Amino acid sequence: GAVVSQHPSRVICKSGTSVKIECRSLDFQATTMFWYRQFPKKSLMLMATSNEGSKATYEQGVEKDKFLINHASLTLSTLTVTSAHPEDSSFYICSARDRGGSRIEQYFGPGTRLTVT
Amino acid sequence: GEDVEQSLFLSVREGDSSVINCTYTDSSSTYLYWYKQEPGAGLQLLTYIFSNMDMKQDQRLTVLLNKKDKHLSLRIADTQTGDSAIYFCAVTMDSNYQLIWGAGTKLIIKP
Repeated sequence: GAVVSQHPSRVICKSGTSVKIECRSLDFQATTMFWYRQFPKKSLMLMATSNEGSKATYEQGVEKDKFLINHASLTLSTLTVTSAHPEDSSFYICSARDRGGSRIEQYFGPGTRLTVT
Repeated sequence: GEDVEQSLFLSVREGDSSVINCTYTDSSSTYLYWYKQEPGAGLQLLTYIFSNMDMKQDQRLTVLLNKKDKHLSLRIADTQTGDSAIYFCAVTMDSNYQLIWGAGTKLIIKP
């Protein structure tokens, strides 16, 4: 099946620094990738939709200058949390839609646990 | 907007059936999904149902959709310890197939 990887799986950073999270589709091309944030006991929150070669579309309430998304190739999207603060600590999940597959299905990465101290 | 609700926990005995419930608010939901999340692994699509269907069965999994009550359920027959996970209900409404998620139900298996 289609595999999506995320790197790193866990990261701890100091307040005020920036952190980059990578999302890769390993065996398929993804024209569209999604970035989610997961809070404990709460539903996944869609942060933004990333289309290869164009600017990401951010959901209402998500600061685009704080959460920088780049989708430079058909297999890689990155999320950079800039000037991170403790409230940014969360579990970040990406997903990708197969360019040649069904629009119904998204393939999810294993997530990245970000802790800001 | 669309709201999707699930219970946070479900505890069942090994070998029994598990029924995980989900309610949603928008009757124009087109596809309804069940995802499974295990620690350290990505969300895995278990099954989905189109809104013009009432039931879908796939081996031990049975999905029931009651459109009138906007209620979706996932039944896992003969629950095993490997079924321990968080199960998420998700729905889509629009042509972009943007997923709207429930909070997830943690399935706990008792020996």
